[in-house]
Amino acid sequence: DTEVTQTPKHLVMGMTNKKSLKCEQHMGHRAMYWYKQKAKKPPELMFVYSYEKLSINESVPSRFSPECPNSSLLNLHLHALQPEDSALYLCASSHGGQVETQYFGPGTRLLVL
Amino acid sequence: GNSVTQMEGPVTLSEEAFLTINCTYTATGYPSLFWYVQYPGEGLQLLLKATKADDKGSNKGFEATYRKETTSFHLEKGSVQVSDSAVYFCALSDNNQAGTALIFGKGTTLSVSS
Repeated sequence: DTEVTQTPKHLVMGMTNKKSLKCEQHMGHRAMYWYKQKAKKPPELMFVYSYEKLSINESVPSRFSPECPNSSLLNLHLHALQPEDSALYLCASSHGGQVETQYFGPGTRLLVL
Repeated sequence: GNSVTQMEGPVTLSEEAFLTINCTYTATGYPSLFWYVQYPGEGLQLLLKATKADDKGSNKGFEATYRKETTSFHLEKGSVQVSDSAVYFCALSDNNQAGTALIFGKGTTLSVSS
């Protein structure tokens, strides 16, 4: 089973709202990732958690706040977003070890009004 | 630094045509190489991978061979179907540690007509 789940599938929010994106995997993977993908572009890395610790933060604005409550869950808290933050947000996980393969969830399509 | 270069799309083919999408990379050491596919409105799915020189990854009729001498990992399929219409991303990982970021190419859009 190589499934990564994400909720919600779609989200519309105003610029003053606070919302959260959720990601879950039960493959025993030790690393989890958030990517942002704009239309017709490759995914851009935002954050990496490795063994539940934030290991990479790609200079993401503070209106995006990641959280890793345990090894299976990853959240992305959103606050005071801008319309240009509208995108597909992808979560991925990987095991590490001999071959580092990332498995992606279906994404949350976010629209900021 | 490490990078991945893919052929520019879109690639437009008729059903049953032969497909090649070129991918070359720049990396130090011995990266792992991947092809991901993204169908309209969906996330990325791992299509195939190769972890060392001369390895051939294959899945669903797609193949790619890790060529260290030409630093390439071209994707091929002998006979495409309409259902193969998607965006294809070549990617590399230069480290086998958990939490290593993938480096993606810009993506190639494939459109197959019946």
